Amino acid sequence: DAKTTQPTSMDCAEGRAANLPCNHSTISGNEYVYWYRQIHSQGPQYIIHGLKNNETNEMASLIITEDRKSSTLILPHATLRDTAVYYCIVRVAGVNDMRFGAGTRLTVKP
Amino acid sequence: DAGVIQSPRHEVTEMGQEVTLRCKPISGHDYLFWYRQTMMRGLELLIYFNNNVPIDDSGMPEDRFSAKMPNASFSTLKIQPSEPRDSAVYFCASSPTSGGHPHEQYFGPGTRLTVT
Repeated sequence: DAKTTQPTSMDCAEGRAANLPCNHSTISGNEYVYWYRQIHSQGPQYIIHGLKNNETNEMASLIITEDRKSSTLILPHATLRDTAVYYCIVRVAGVNDMRFGAGTRLTVKP
Repeated sequence: DAGVIQSPRHEVTEMGQEVTLRCKPISGHDYLFWYRQTMMRGLELLIYFNNNVPIDDSGMPEDRFSAKMPNASFSTLKIQPSEPRDSAVYFCASSPTSGGHPHEQYFGPGTRLTVT
């Protein structure tokens, strides 16, 4: 699986958009980008995934650059409950082992 | 849907004792994963099963650890004998198959293990 690089921590004001970057410059053509988050003392939670097109669901939007070497997870209106560690993972389709890195600790402040 | 169920939620045991962690995956999911999380090492994949068969156990730290999945609705992770360095939060996750396309994993609440 391609290695990912994420900032260690970020802050965001409540009600504003949170933009979490991820660098995956060695991604292969058959590797998807996944985002998970882990709220304190809970198990990780799936957010969204994509291959090359931008994706949106009820939780977030995923913007993948045209060269696929980086992506951004967007939480459009962050709330205090979005405070968590956010993990960016790349993996080959159909391969089922998920390798988590250190992630980005997002703190949403009032 | 009850989600992935793990038991116990907390376990405190003495060094040398056997510990058994339990997991009930989401009905219909044919993949099951065991993870361990510590401050030092983060979230690590230990082993995963497909249709009750272990596929990859390369993450199991040593022979003291074993995992079984006797049927589609139950799995155990056993540590015998336990050591203080095994103290961690152990997560179970399950995942459906989707024609070879990627799919999300659903995690349980975890078991916090403390070995004294």
